[in-house]
Amino acid sequence: QVQLVQSGAEVKKPGASVKVSCKASGYTFTSYYMHWVRQAPGQGLEWMGIINPSGGSTSYAQKFQGRVTMTRDTSTSTVYMELSSLRSEDTAVYYCARDCRITMVRGVIIETVYWFDPWGQGTLVTVSS
Amino acid sequence: SSELTQDPAVSVALGQTVRITCQGDSLRSYYASWYQQKPGQAPVLVIYGKNNRPSGIPDRFSGSSSGNTASLTITGAQAEDEADYYCNSRDSSGNHPYVFGTGTKVTVL
Repeated sequence: QVQLVQSGAEVKKPGASVKVSCKASGYTFTSYYMHWVRQAPGQGLEWMGIINPSGGSTSYAQKFQGRVTMTRDTSTSTVYMELSSLRSEDTAVYYCARDCRITMVRGVIIETVYWFDPWGQGTLVTVSS
Repeated sequence: SSELTQDPAVSVALGQTVRITCQGDSLRSYYASWYQQKPGQAPVLVIYGKNNRPSGIPDRFSGSSSGNTASLTITGAQAEDEADYYCNSRDSSGNHPYVFGTGTKVTVL
């Protein structure tokens, strides 16, 4: 079955960096983009960015530009999310989620449907001095 | 603008029907997907596209869309449906290619 398994919890000091991994199994790794989403304590979901495991191209939310780097290792079917210059507000659970999409043609209308499935179990990153 | 607005909380009596809405400009161009999140767990996809349920999701969950509003309906709510629900859509107009809704806490009474 399709599964995403993330690395364990991390505790970091302000100003440090953290690198979270997400290992995929049960499907062709390079055929699906991967998202990273975070959730601060008691808060909602926040989209961070997406990586194409095939070529390594990325797109980041403007909020994280310059601080986040997403990479992949096709030999181990693993994607990584590194966040630098950590501050207390970065304390959150970080999730990877597989991108799914399908394009349908209805007459002259072409529409693409997008969704995230499955999700990793989450990685708690705590930033504290 | 990259925003999807949801009511913060709704309640429903056991076995009754509840509708959760999600509003935003991006929904005029893209379908929403819906995620259920229980405390301490990762989100789980419940609805995507026009009204598609992944395998394993009960048929009491359904989706619909009109204009700038997407809706998730739970018909015959069960105790195990108590959770937070988030919508999501693509957004080609803002700084975030993907955007999540603010989330709705569903309480089953």
